Amino acid sequence: AQSVTQLDSQVPVFEEAPVELRCNYSSSVSVYLFWYVQYPNQGLQLLLKYLSGSTLVKGINGFEAEFNKSQTSFHLRKPSVHISDTAEYFCAVSGKAAGNKLTFGGGTRVLVKP
Amino acid sequence: KAGVTQTPRYLIKTRGQQVTLSCSPISGHRSVSWYQQTPGQGLQFLFEYFSETQRNKGNFPGRFSGRQFSNSRSEMNVSTLELGDSALYLCASSLTGTHNEQFFGPGTRLTVL
Repeated sequence: AQSVTQLDSQVPVFEEAPVELRCNYSSSVSVYLFWYVQYPNQGLQLLLKYLSGSTLVKGINGFEAEFNKSQTSFHLRKPSVHISDTAEYFCAVSGKAAGNKLTFGGGTRVLVKP
Repeated sequence: KAGVTQTPRYLIKTRGQQVTLSCSPISGHRSVSWYQQTPGQGLQFLFEYFSETQRNKGNFPGRFSGRQFSNSRSEMNVSTLELGDSALYLCASSLTGTHNEQFFGPGTRLTVL
C-alpha cells in the first residue's frame, strides 16, 4: 500500500523568505505525485504534478518541486513567500494502477509572518 | 466555467440518522471522487465514480455508499451516523481519463451530535 509522509506539520516563515516543504512517499511501483494547497474553509487546489519527464516541476504561484526517485521524495519549494501563501499544503500520490485514487500526506501548515 | 459545487455546505445530524451529500462536477467531467477530511485521520479516499459506475473504493465501512447519475452528478450517503463521521467531505471531479487534474469543491461540513 502506498503511504505519504510530510515531515513537518507546521512551518513558520517570514515574508519574502524561501520555504521548503518535505514529502516522502513509499511505493513499490511507479507513481504520480501531486501538491495541493488548501486555504481556510475551501477545497483543495492543485499546485503542481509530476507524471513523467523532467524531474523539476514548476507550478502555479511560483512553486516548484523536484522528483527524486532514489530518495522517494517530492519536496516543494518557493524562493520568496507572501502573506497570501499562508495555508495548508498536502502532498499526494497515486499509483499507475490506482486510477484517480489519491493517497495524501498529513499536511503541512505554513504560516507566513510579516 | 462553473467549478465543482457541493450541497449543502453545512449539516448537523444526530447519531443513528442518515445523510445524503450532493456534488455537481464541472461540466464535461465524468469522474467524481469523494474524500473525507478529519483532524485525526487527514484526507482519506472514499470512492470514485466514472460513467455511473464505481471505479475505485477506499477502506470505509458499507455505511458509506455513493452513486452517480447520467449527468455525472454524484451523491454520497452515510447511514447510521456515528460521532466519528463528523468531517469535511470533499468531492473532486476530473475529465475522462485517470491522472487528470482533480478539481475540488468547497466541501460539506458534517457534524454528528
